[in-house]
Amino acid sequence: GAVVSQHPSRVICKSGTSVKIECRSLDFQATTMFWYRQFPKQSLMLMATSNEGSKATYEQGVEKDKFLINHASLTLSTLTVTSAHPEDSSFYICSAGGQGTNTEAFFGQGTRLTVV
Amino acid sequence: GEDVEQSLFLSVREGDSSVINCTYTDSSSTYLYWYKQEPGAGLQLLTYIFSNMDMKQDQRLTVLLNKKDKHLSLRIADTQTGDSAIYFCAESWTAGNKLTFGGGTRVLVKP
Repeated sequence: GAVVSQHPSRVICKSGTSVKIECRSLDFQATTMFWYRQFPKQSLMLMATSNEGSKATYEQGVEKDKFLINHASLTLSTLTVTSAHPEDSSFYICSAGGQGTNTEAFFGQGTRLTVV
Repeated sequence: GEDVEQSLFLSVREGDSSVINCTYTDSSSTYLYWYKQEPGAGLQLLTYIFSNMDMKQDQRLTVLLNKKDKHLSLRIADTQTGDSAIYFCAESWTAGNKLTFGGGTRVLVKP
């Protein structure tokens, strides 16, 4: 199946700094990428939908200035957590859909962010 | 909006069958998925079913779909200790699109 690579897998940062998470589709063109967040022992909640070459669509309650999403190419979307705070600590996971994805959305490995 | 619900926890003895249940509310759901998540790891797609099917079998996994009742189940035959994980059902109205996840069912397999 298609491969989605997410990097880094783990990151620890200080409060007030920004962290960038990358999501790459390795063997197909992802016209759409999705960013999810998972709190400990909870389900995955969609944060935003990222479309190549256009602005991301954010779900209700997600601060677009806090979570900057860029989808500049058909193989790369980035999520930047700006001015991170401890409450932003979470598991972030991306998925990709688009050309070559006929039945499923392919997920990256996830990024565990810890803000100290 | 869409809502997907699962029971929180399931305990099963090794070698027995496990059945994980899921209900959803969106009648336009076309694709229904089961994912497995092990501690600290990402999501592994186990299987999926189209809404025009009522059953799908893949080795030890059997998915049953009752579209009328919007009820989905995953049966794992001959459950092994390696099957201990959290299982998420999810739905989407089109392929490769955003998914709405259930809360996850934590399965504990006891020897």
